[in-house]
Amino acid sequence: GAVVSQHPSWVICKSGTSVKIECRSLDFQATTMFWYRQFPKQSLMLMATSNEGSKATYEQGVEKDKFLINHASLTLSTLTVTSAHPEDSSFYICSARESGRLGYEQYFGPGTRLTVT
Amino acid sequence: AQKITQTQPGMFVQEKEAVTLDCTYDTSDPSYGLFWYKQPSSGEMIFLIYQGSYDQQNATEGRYSLNFQKARKSANLVISASQLGDSAMYFCAMREGRERNTPLVFGKGTRLSVIA
Repeated sequence: GAVVSQHPSWVICKSGTSVKIECRSLDFQATTMFWYRQFPKQSLMLMATSNEGSKATYEQGVEKDKFLINHASLTLSTLTVTSAHPEDSSFYICSARESGRLGYEQYFGPGTRLTVT
Repeated sequence: AQKITQTQPGMFVQEKEAVTLDCTYDTSDPSYGLFWYKQPSSGEMIFLIYQGSYDQQNATEGRYSLNFQKARKSANLVISASQLGDSAMYFCAMREGRERNTPLVFGKGTRLSVIA
């Protein structure tokens, strides 16, 4: 099956700094990628839908100025957590569907565990 | 209103027994897809099975089968012959419509523990 990678797999940063998380589709092109956040023992909550070459669509309650999403190419989307605070500590997972291909598949990255101290 | 409801926070099953994980959904779109994912402690999301709203037959994938009852809006996952490695979180999810930029919406999950 198709592969989605995320980098880094885990990161620890100090409060007030920014962290960038990369999501890459390794063997397919993805016009659309999705960013989810998962707090411990909770479900995946959709943060935003990232579209190549256009602005991301954010879910209600997600601060777009705090969580900057850039989908600069058909294989790369980035999520930057700006001025991170301890409450931003979470597991961030990206997901993608293959462009121009029929079918239901949606592929997930392995996730990035962010800890803000 | 919640789109996906999983009412079992936790389930226990004896090794080699079958177990059913419940999922109900809410949508007015005639076209939708239902998914089940397994999430072990490592955090990766492992796709298990898919059921389309127009599929006539219940989906099956190895030891996994989906009991799709459209009128009741339920899509229960059945795992047969449970193994210790099946211990994990299980999430039911739905995608509404046919647009490619429609995201999956997840239920709260069920933690399955398989006992030897």
